[in-house]
Amino acid sequence: EDQVTQSPEALRLQEGESSSLNCSYTVSGLRGLFWYRQDPGKGPEFLFTLYSAGEEKEKERLKATLTKKESFLHITAPKPEDSATYLCAVSGDISNFGNEKLTFGTGTRLTIIP
Amino acid sequence: DGGITQSPKYLFRKEGQNVTLSCEQNLNHDAMYWYRQDPGQGLRLIYYSQIVNDFQKGDIAEGYSVSREKKESFPLTVTSAQKNPTAFYLCASSILSGNTIYFGEGSWLTVV
Repeated sequence: EDQVTQSPEALRLQEGESSSLNCSYTVSGLRGLFWYRQDPGKGPEFLFTLYSAGEEKEKERLKATLTKKESFLHITAPKPEDSATYLCAVSGDISNFGNEKLTFGTGTRLTIIP
Repeated sequence: DGGITQSPKYLFRKEGQNVTLSCEQNLNHDAMYWYRQDPGQGLRLIYYSQIVNDFQKGDIAEGYSVSREKKESFPLTVTSAQKNPTAFYLCASSILSGNTIYFGEGSWLTVV
């Protein structure tokens, strides 16, 4: 059974204080690892898809990296508007066509203090 | 703008009542999904559909039903058989051969 564990559960940073969020996973044949941002009371917003170990993707102050066991979401010089819950999900090999076997973590709630 | 529209945003259900959550997408995506989100738990898949007039149960389908009569629409009915329906419900879609799922804004369902 695929599993995703995110840590820490919550993280409070001062504005400009860089840090990383962790997503550890076990999956049978990784097809993709996904990062989403979710604001309170809203649907998750897609950020990145990573497919293989060593891959990196960047968007503004966010950078996602992937190894064979975990992914990191690095946040550089964060601003208060980066405050949100960040969700990680994996898609494994046991699926008919795509994402019906997506497994989500419980998320990291990030708060950036001005 | 292309996207996924869920309605209503807030819905209250009385005991023993069925309610239907609407989901419409104009992204021309083949696949659609319904997820449930509860505090402290990851998103859990209720139902998914790859093509019109076909759908499959996810991990927590009991007490729910869906239909897919049009490519753009995938409504979810929460029946009276669902004993703990209070949750945040998310509709999503993706292209059939793609890897990325895109979500709607969600619907809150509360039992009163």
